[in-house]
Amino acid sequence: SYVLTQPPSVSVAPGQTARITCGGNNIETKSVHWYQQKPGQAPVLVVYDNSDRPSGIPERFSGFNSGNTATLTISRVEAGDEADYYCQVWDSSSDHLYVFGTGTKVTVL
Amino acid sequence: QVQLVESGGGLVKPGGSLRLSCAASGFTFSDYYMIWVRLAPGKGLEWVSYISNSGSTKYYADSVKGRFTISRDNAKNSLYLQMNSLRAEDTAVYYCARNHLGYSNYEGYYYYMDVWGKGTTVTVSS
Repeated sequence: SYVLTQPPSVSVAPGQTARITCGGNNIETKSVHWYQQKPGQAPVLVVYDNSDRPSGIPERFSGFNSGNTATLTISRVEAGDEADYYCQVWDSSSDHLYVFGTGTKVTVL
Repeated sequence: QVQLVESGGGLVKPGGSLRLSCAASGFTFSDYYMIWVRLAPGKGLEWVSYISNSGSTKYYADSVKGRFTISRDNAKNSLYLQMNSLRAEDTAVYYCARNHLGYSNYEGYYYYMDVWGKGTTVTVSS
């Protein structure tokens, strides 16, 4: 089955840039989607199709996918960006279908 | 506005059953595949089951296959998850989400979740 690997945690100071990686075999051949989940709240789609943003998501959130790594970048980090972030792809080659990354906790210092 | 509202969670003993519901509004429910996703304590997101827009196609994660049944009633704009033979490891917040269908020349069709409900909590404990 297809596996997506994320760092468990990323720490960043307010105003700086946070980069969250999502590693997978030849992931550049897949469309990667990113979700933000704050404690006690539902997940929110923040980036889809590698780099597109749903309406209402700030331009500070951007995505890139190349080689074996997809990256979610949060520019000018704010305290409200503190959350868990998950990448996700679709894997039709197996029964696992929806594959989520292991999740990254972003802490704003 | 587009909204999903789950209900039916609660405390149940191991081996027991629960039926979760998800009420959809603000969009044409019958046009969309739907999915249940769960978040267990200390764990990451895990997809549980998804269903086609007509209800004719259903898939289950290995962890729930044979115990959970997904269904939908398009006339009532509702999604359901019947959970039987519940185990402690099924303890989680269960979210229903709307599937969005995408396509790329390289990958073909793929899905992601563009709208989520707030979730309902299921606790399996004696």
